[in-house]
Formats: sequence, structure tokens, C-alpha cells
Amino acid sequence: DAGVTQSPTHLIKTRGQQVTLRCSPKSGHDTVSWYQQALGQGPQFIFQYYEEEERQRGNFPDRFSGHQFPNYSSELNVNALLLGDSALYLCASSFTTGGYTFGSGTRLTVV
Amino acid sequence: ILNVEQSPQSLHVQEGDSTNFTCSFPSSNFYALHWYRWETAKSPEALFVMTLNGDEKKKGRISATLNTKEGYSYLYIKGSQPEDSATYLCAFKEETSYDKVIFGPGTSLSVIP
Repeated sequence: DAGVTQSPTHLIKTRGQQVTLRCSPKSGHDTVSWYQQALGQGPQFIFQYYEEEERQRGNFPDRFSGHQFPNYSSELNVNALLLGDSALYLCASSFTTGGYTFGSGTRLTVV
Repeated sequence: ILNVEQSPQSLHVQEGDSTNFTCSFPSSNFYALHWYRWETAKSPEALFVMTLNGDEKKKGRISATLNTKEGYSYLYIKGSQPEDSATYLCAFKEETSYDKVIFGPGTSLSVIP
């Protein structure tokens, strides 16, 4: 049974560009949450998708947007990249009130 | 803004030592407390999901306790082994927050052979 799959694993972008990160949840999971982990910090909640809608959002600007597809997979889009967006982006899937299953993350470097 | 704290920030222990770390979280609107282990170059792995005050969970040499009234949880590792080296994250879930959890900054454990 595949766990959570994220792509790509690494990415280098230039300031001002746009990026799309992808996540396939664990089989049977219907909720996808995205987190940003900067160096030395715990994962910071970006937003969560359920039934193809953004259900909750953390303290991130509108440059961060997302989408969930009917098969529960999800995308995270970041527009107008800043140097400070460089981080590890984690996707986590869940079902009802269980714990999260995490992907390995996408390491984004903005230069 | 919900604040989840962990201490210590990092820890170095000798193989065979037992150790413990602390997670502090808001004592109101509690729903659940999660513990995760995150080894370098891997995904965070769920250890425990704790929901009841006084809960004690155990998985091999690792155990955790929960005090929701005072807002803390302890994670214990008995007889640390090098493979226990990882960052241990706790995450707090509020009663009204669907599946959203707020993570602490983590405790980085290094077990020296």
C-alpha cells in the first residue's frame, strides 16, 4: 500500500517565478494538509483540503494556493516566489481523526 | 495564536541511556496530541495519537504520557539506541480544528554509540 507521494523531491526556482508541488495521499485518505518547514522550525500549517475545497488555512499570504482533485490528490501553488519561500514542503494525508501520514517532502530553493 | 513548545531543543545521550522530552500545549479546547519521529531524509512517522487526560501509550521502548489539564506530554525512550536518533515532533489538535494540527519545533535526539 503506497503511502503519501510527493513530487518533485527537489526544485530550484528564481525569485518571481511560480511553482507547483504535487501530492498523492495514502490510499483511503480523503484529507490533504500542506506544511512548510523552514530550517530550525517545526512544520507550519499552510492549508488543508477536503472534498476538493480549502477547509482551513494558516497564516500564509494569498500567493500560496492549492487544489484538490476528485481522486484526493492535491497541488500546492506558490506565485511570485520570494527567497523566504525556500523550505521543505510537506504533504500529509489523513482520514477522520487519525494521525497524519506524511510524504517525504519537496525541497524548494529560491535563488 | 496557538503555541506548542518542546524542550529541550536538542539532546545528546549515550547508547543505553534513558531519556525524556517535553511538549507543552494550550490546556483549553484540547482534542488530541500527536507524537511523530522524523529521521533524516525520511518522512515523519506517527508514533502516538493521544486523546484522553492521563493517557499512557507505549510502542516498544518508547512511551508517552498526557496531561491535558496542565497542557503537557512527556515522551520517554528507555535504553536509547543509535537508531532512535531523530527529531521528535509533537502536534496539538484543537477541538474545533478539523484535522489541522499545530506542530512544536521538535527535539533533536542524537544517540552516541
